[in-house]
Amino acid sequence: SQQGEEDPQALSIQEGENATMNCSYKTSINNLQWYRQNSGRGLVHLILIRSNEREKHSGRLRVTLDTSKKSSSLLITASRAADTASYFCLYSGGSNYKLTFGKGTLLTVNP
Amino acid sequence: NAGVTQTPKFRVLKTGQSMTLLCAQDMNHEYMYWYRQDPGMGLRLIHYSVGEGTTAKGEVPDGYNVSRLKKQNFLLGLESAAPSQTSVYFCASSITSVQETQYFGPGTRLLVL
Repeated sequence: SQQGEEDPQALSIQEGENATMNCSYKTSINNLQWYRQNSGRGLVHLILIRSNEREKHSGRLRVTLDTSKKSSSLLITASRAADTASYFCLYSGGSNYKLTFGKGTLLTVNP
Repeated sequence: NAGVTQTPKFRVLKTGQSMTLLCAQDMNHEYMYWYRQDPGMGLRLIHYSVGEGTTAKGEVPDGYNVSRLKKQNFLLGLESAAPSQTSVYFCASSITSVQETQYFGPGTRLLVL
């Protein structure tokens, strides 16, 4: 399978703690995006980082990209119960801009 | 703006039956996508379209056909449903490129018996 790998598969933390999720991929990429999916619902875009960027911030979110290691991480700081969701990376790469989703990390934030 | 909408929300089919899933977007986006989501597999691209009248295969196109007769609509057809097509189907759209932010619909849950 060409799907990206995310780890951990599941993460359970307490409110106020930080959550870090990782995405590894196998090909060269043009950009990488992170999405959130609440149970049973559609995906919502969080942040996009381009291949020439190393770090990006959006509110409580921080995304890093290491193209030499073919990996990206998503950090959610000061987590809230409302952050409970599955998080997916999506990357496009190659000459035909093939789209690939990671398998996702299920984050549970306990009140 | 309704964004991306999908019809129906849930459907049960018997093996061999056919059906069409409808995706509509009101954002004037050029690109549209159909994905399926299975437990533990994440989302996989079935077909996509880069504009009205054009379609292309994704990662898992077998057993599905698509049409984009109008810019705002992207239809996914199952000619002869199989139990392996039991899944949640998501439609998405983006402005002008596969490299841009995608906007997702709420999903269609399909059960094939």
